[in-house]
Amino acid sequence: DGGITQSPKYLFRKEGQNVTLSCEQNLNHDAMYWYRQDPGQGLRLIYYSQIVNDFQKGDIAEGYSVSREKKESFPLTVTSAQKNPTAFYLCASSTDAGQPQHFGDGTRLSIL
Amino acid sequence: AQTVTQSQPEMSVQEAETVTLSCTYDTSESDYYLFWYKQPPSRQMILVIRQEAYKQQNATENRFSVNFQKAAKSFSLKISDSQLGDAAMYFCALPPNSGNTPLVFGKGTRLSVIA
Repeated sequence: DGGITQSPKYLFRKEGQNVTLSCEQNLNHDAMYWYRQDPGQGLRLIYYSQIVNDFQKGDIAEGYSVSREKKESFPLTVTSAQKNPTAFYLCASSTDAGQPQHFGDGTRLSIL
Repeated sequence: AQTVTQSQPEMSVQEAETVTLSCTYDTSESDYYLFWYKQPPSRQMILVIRQEAYKQQNATENRFSVNFQKAAKSFSLKISDSQLGDAAMYFCALPPNSGNTPLVFGKGTRLSVIA
């Protein structure tokens, strides 16, 4: 079955450490997105990519970085510059920007 | 800029009753889609229903239907015969004016279902 796989499901970060969240899709979608969700809140866009080797900053890109070397993969790195990384992170993809997004099951990141 | 407003942070409904969640939006486009997503406690995001703005008929998916009023820029979600499994956060979403930016989401409405 086609879908989006996020890993790991839970991730813990030490102070000063960079961590990378994985997002892989086999839907052949061109566009991919990363969102952050804090408890009881909506989704905030971190980064998005419309095509391989290209990506754009979202509303809260500071302290995060991404790459899009392959169509299927859009990893998100939470850098040590992100001072409050504890949140739930959702990856999504779509055929293009105006179409419904399909979501992964998310990664919960916590600080040790 | 496009905006999506969900004015009800929380709603509750008795099991088997009907509830309507409101969503208003602002766009300069004449042809667009609107979406409702459900996020249950598992936090998985699930597409509930989609409405195409050029279609006058309101979309329906089983117990879920929309009341789409284009002139008023209103897109409410009606859940009939509410079930305990409907308890979730519900997000309204709108594609952007230009074709190269992601969906704009509302802040969500938390729906509780009372047995």
